[in-house]
Parts: sequence; C-alpha cells; structure tokens
Amino acid sequence: DSGVTQTPKHLITATGQRVTLRCSPRSGDLSVYWYQQSLDQGLQFLIQYYNGEERAKGNILERFSAQQFPDLHSELNLSSLELGDSALYFCASSGRGGGGTDTQYFGPGTRLTVL
Amino acid sequence: AQKVTQAQTEISVVEKEDVTLDCVYETRDTTYYLFWYKQPPSGELVFLIRRNSFDEQNEISGRYSWNFQKSTSSFNFTITASQVVDSAVYFCALSEDNTDKLIFGTGTRLQVFP
Repeated sequence: DSGVTQTPKHLITATGQRVTLRCSPRSGDLSVYWYQQSLDQGLQFLIQYYNGEERAKGNILERFSAQQFPDLHSELNLSSLELGDSALYFCASSGRGGGGTDTQYFGPGTRLTVL
Repeated sequence: AQKVTQAQTEISVVEKEDVTLDCVYETRDTTYYLFWYKQPPSGELVFLIRRNSFDEQNEISGRYSWNFQKSTSSFNFTITASQVVDSAVYFCALSEDNTDKLIFGTGTRLQVFP
C-alpha cells in the first residue's frame, strides 16, 4: 500500500458527461501528479500541483482540469467526455516537488469507461 | 528530447529462470533520475527503484538487481530465479532535474510460468 488513495475505483459514464476523480496524497507529501494510462498512448503525465499551486502541465486536454485543495487532496475534472477518454487515471504524490529528486508513489488508479 | 525505450514488449520465462528487462533512455541533461515501476495484474503501479545520474553503482535488492551504464544510456533490470509472482508489466521511467514529470517507457510484460 503506497499510502495514496484514489476514489472511485471504477467509473462508467456516457459520452458528453462530466466526472470528478479524487486523490489523497501520502501524509506529508506536498506534490500531487495525475497520469493517464491508455492502450494507445501508454502512461502520460497530465499535470502536477505543489502545495495548492499548479507546478507543471503535460499533455492535458482543455476539457480536463485539476486543482489541489488546502488539505492537499486533489481532484481531476474531466468534462465533455469522449470514448477516447476511457483509461486508467493515476494519481501520485511526492514530498517536495522541487525537482526530479523525489520518488513518486502511485495510488491504485481510477478506471474510467466512457460508453 | 527525453525518451525511454523498452524494446522488449513481452517476455515469457519458466520459474527459476533469470530474466533481464532492458531500458534505454535519451536526455540532454547531465542531472536526471531513472526509475523502475511494477504493474501487477491488479493494476497499481509499485515503485521499485530510483537512481540518479551521478550514481552508477549497481544495486541489488534480494532477487532484483539493476545495472546502470551511462556510456550506453541503459538502466537494465534483472530478476534472478524468477517466480510466478513476478508476472507483471514493468515500466522504466526518466525524470530530468528541472522537471518532476516522469517519462515512461512502453513497458515490458513479463510472464513467469510454473
């Protein structure tokens, strides 16, 4: 158990809908990262938050947004969902987030299925 | 540009065989970090090792060992005396010093048969 929690485990929804994925980092970790794992794109970095502020952005679609709250949990919002958004979404956390020095520990993931 | 290549898509071995998973990386940075993660059938990503670019010492942890060679830009992972529980997809990843994001390879699926 990495100490990172994600809810829900599974999510099934329809095209055009909006969903929110939630992540709680390990105790004491300030950085939260979101990754998408799909069959065609592999594991891709989406976005990073550090102590409430956006730190880095990757290949995140404009339909997707994220935030990190004062208690350091994070939410990833996916809107106007398309079939191609079906994937496993991982959250990871690390301590300092000031550079590539920290190990990222991953949550169990949320499997999103868009029908 | 950063890139991680895991050329082996799938490897099958019989229990107790040794197996090496290859990882080749590309980066222009002199300071970078390399990682291996394991993704068992249950789906979670489990951290195995982190290595920084200034530490080329090989590492051994039980049946696992890692061989980091800057001269060939490789960070290979060997499992000695493989077991059925080692069956998983293994990912190699790279992070450069000016960014925290992980660049993952495409993964190697290891199947260990009894």
